[in-house]
Amino acid sequence: GENVEQHPSTLSVQEGDSAVIKCTYSDSASNYFPWYKQELGKGPQLIIDIRSNVGEKKDQRIAVTLNKTAKHFSLHITETQPEDSAVYFCAASRGGGGNKLTFGTGTQLKVEL
Amino acid sequence: NAGVTQTPKFRILKIGQSMTLQCTQDMNHNYMYWYRQDPGMGLKLIYYSVGAGITDKGEVPNGYNVSRSTTEDFPLRLELAAPSQTSVYFCASMYKGGDTNTEAFFGQGTRLTVV
Repeated sequence: GENVEQHPSTLSVQEGDSAVIKCTYSDSASNYFPWYKQELGKGPQLIIDIRSNVGEKKDQRIAVTLNKTAKHFSLHITETQPEDSAVYFCAASRGGGGNKLTFGTGTQLKVEL
Repeated sequence: NAGVTQTPKFRILKIGQSMTLQCTQDMNHNYMYWYRQDPGMGLKLIYYSVGAGITDKGEVPNGYNVSRSTTEDFPLRLELAAPSQTSVYFCASMYKGGDTNTEAFFGQGTRLTVV
């Protein structure tokens, strides 16, 4: 089955700096790569996703890049703000088999003033 | 729309007791999922369903059962609670049609402690 590795497990940045979180996946058939943000005591919430026919996608301060050859994808947050502090999860899935999402182990991002 | 609603939010069980975690969605999604989240381990898939009447095992199904009698509801049953089932449980739903799918929407979670 699919295996997703995520790094780093914790990340501390100064407000205004950029943050980058990286994930690798094992199943070359995976074609959907979402990123979720989880705030304390809440369920994960989608912040951005990318499909395998696209190399990069941006939404304001957030961008995701995908390298299918190397089987890795990254989340980039620019101009970080304190409200960006949360746990971020990457995930991967393939089109068939119930569209099951396989999650990385999460990155605790802390944005310091 | 309420989205995905889970009940209860918190529960303490004694070893050997049973309980049902409830999950309902009002978005007419065909796919529903149960995940458990342990510290530092991400989310692991327990069971999933691609439509009413159809369920299948995920990565960690032992000790759990599910049913999907309606599109809206996907309860998770623990028959003989064990300390290893102490975790936070999340229900999620998604709509998939053909080659496209919506994002997965998650509930707020149920924090279960087995003592």
